[in-house]
Amino acid sequence: AQSVAQPEDQVNVAEGNPLTVKCTYSVSGNPYLFWYVQYPNRGLQFLLKYITGDNLVKGSYGFEAEFNKSQTSFHLKKPSALVSDSALYFCAARDTGGFKTIFGAGTRLFVKA
Amino acid sequence: GAVVSQHPSRVICKSGTSVKIECRSLDFQATTMFWYRQFPKQSLMLMATSNEGSKATYEQGVEKDKFLINHASLTLSTLTVASAHPEDSSFYICSAREREYEQFFGPGTRLTVL
Repeated sequence: AQSVAQPEDQVNVAEGNPLTVKCTYSVSGNPYLFWYVQYPNRGLQFLLKYITGDNLVKGSYGFEAEFNKSQTSFHLKKPSALVSDSALYFCAARDTGGFKTIFGAGTRLFVKA
Repeated sequence: GAVVSQHPSRVICKSGTSVKIECRSLDFQATTMFWYRQFPKQSLMLMATSNEGSKATYEQGVEKDKFLINHASLTLSTLTVASAHPEDSSFYICSAREREYEQFFGPGTRLTVL
């Protein structure tokens, strides 16, 4: 069965420090991979995607993610966290022949001033 | 990116009433729209997928007679919660797909059934 795992329920980081939110996937074939962010009582906002090409993908608000095929991972990173980055982050995946997007359980990021 | 709107953003109703939620793609044509339900502190649960002009495909365990989906045009899909009960209270999010892999989400609708 296809799945997306976000092993951390919560990540705490101090403002100005680098942040990483982890994601691993189990999808047949070549995956399409996505990161979304959700603020309270809001829908999901698209951050970035990996379809093909460079393993390092740059997205909105200074976020980036690295596709690692051997480790089946797609960790979200940012060199310097902001308090305003505090939100719920979802990793998602879809195989190239598939139709449905599979979401991870979400990781809550807290950035302390 | 493309914009997806939902209306209403929040609705409170009495048990037994029906509630309609609209989802619109504002600046693109969405051949496929998705409806999700999100419980507090949980991920999104896909309820159904709808393609314009055809019947929706429901996920296992989702009652199609309870959650009625209509995808009347390339820019509008509606979810009607029929005879809503307190257990239907949730955050409902729609999503629209423009191209093969781009998927955009609405802001969500908070439904509270008293």
